[in-house]
Amino acid sequence: GAVVSQHPSWVICKSGTSVKIECRSLDFQATTMFWYRQFPKQSLMLMATSNEGSKATYEQGVEKDKFLINHASLTLSTLTVTSAHPEDSSFYICSARDSPQTQYFGPGTRLLVL
Amino acid sequence: AQKVTQAQTEISVVEKEDVTLDCVYETRDTTYYLFWYKQPPSGELVFLIRRNSFDEQNEISGRYSWNFQKSTSSFNFTITASQVVDSAVYFCALDTGGFKTIFGAGTRLFVKA
Repeated sequence: GAVVSQHPSWVICKSGTSVKIECRSLDFQATTMFWYRQFPKQSLMLMATSNEGSKATYEQGVEKDKFLINHASLTLSTLTVTSAHPEDSSFYICSARDSPQTQYFGPGTRLLVL
Repeated sequence: AQKVTQAQTEISVVEKEDVTLDCVYETRDTTYYLFWYKQPPSGELVFLIRRNSFDEQNEISGRYSWNFQKSTSSFNFTITASQVVDSAVYFCALDTGGFKTIFGAGTRLFVKA
């Protein structure tokens, strides 16, 4: 199956700093990537849909100025958590489509904001 | 409205038992896709299967099998002869082509040795 990488896998940062998470499709081109957030023992919550060459589409309730998404190429999307606060601590997962409707997921990034 | 319901929050079985994870979906679209993903403790979601709405054939892959029934809007997943490595959270998901995938709440499966 298609492979999606995510970096870093773990990040601990101080409150007020910004954190960038990279998502790459390694063996296919993805015009659409997705960013999810998952709280412990809960399902995935879609944050935004990232389209190559255009602005991301954010879900209701997700602050676009807080969670900056850039889909610079067909294989790379980045999520930047700006001015992170402890409540931003979570598990962030990206995914990419390689064919109609099938998403492949990255390994996730655990963010802890102190 | 589109919705995926996984009514079983947690299931606990003993190794070698068979276990079925239920998934019921709602959609008014005639064309849609259904998925199952596995999320082991490491956190990475692993794609297991995709089924489109026009293909009701059941599928078997090793110890895994899927039963898709449009009449009851269900897409159930059975693990035969479960193993400890099957312990994970399993998500059922629905995609109607609107670029958004709807995930169920997940079923946490514990397989005891």
